[in-house]
Amino acid sequence: NAGVTQTPKFRILKIGQSMTLQCTQDMNHNYMYWYRQDPGMGLKLIYYSVGAGITDKGEVPNGYNVSRSTTEDFPLRLELAAPSQTSVYFCAILTSGSNTGELFFGEGSRLTVL
Amino acid sequence: KQEVTQIPAALSVPEGENLVLNCSFTDSAIYNLQWFRQDPGKGLTSLLLIQSSQREQTSGRLNASLDKSSGRSTLYIAASQPGDSATYLCAVRSNQAGTALIFGKGTTLSVSS
Repeated sequence: NAGVTQTPKFRILKIGQSMTLQCTQDMNHNYMYWYRQDPGMGLKLIYYSVGAGITDKGEVPNGYNVSRSTTEDFPLRLELAAPSQTSVYFCAILTSGSNTGELFFGEGSRLTVL
Repeated sequence: KQEVTQIPAALSVPEGENLVLNCSFTDSAIYNLQWFRQDPGKGLTSLLLIQSSQREQTSGRLNASLDKSSGRSTLYIAASQPGDSATYLCAVRSNQAGTALIFGKGTTLSVSS
């Protein structure tokens, strides 16, 4: 998975709880992304970052926050978990150039909110 | 806004058959297009990357084509095997959203022996 590590792999949360999904890369790439995947719905972009200190919203950012204090780490935070956030979350990095690079994904974090 | 569509949503074929998966996108101003494979409960594995200046890419029994002007890509799988059973996702990159990939919903392929 091109050096993209996601933790935890599985988590069950109660409604209203908070948690952070971790994403770490060891290849010094600037561009990083968070997606969520719901059954039969493809992947939707939550947030992205083009470098340390720079983040921006994707298609479905509501209920989430991110930070990028270092190049290596791009954590995704859920502040008040809701059942609608039950999903599989994938972190991705963009290799090489911003126009020609290839996206590689972590193995995913499966979150259930009850 | 870029939209990606994959048809069919599901496909069942007998082993040994050649098959084509289709992907279409609405905005032809793309940087590149990637095809992924996803097994149930697993992550995404990149299969092929086609740059906007290229017409096709090949890897083993897989061949992906790109017709940017018409907004279409196809993934050709030769001599299908039961191990090819998975969901295949098409995604395009453009200058939207930090050059993030925009995904289709995928085609679920089942190859029977």
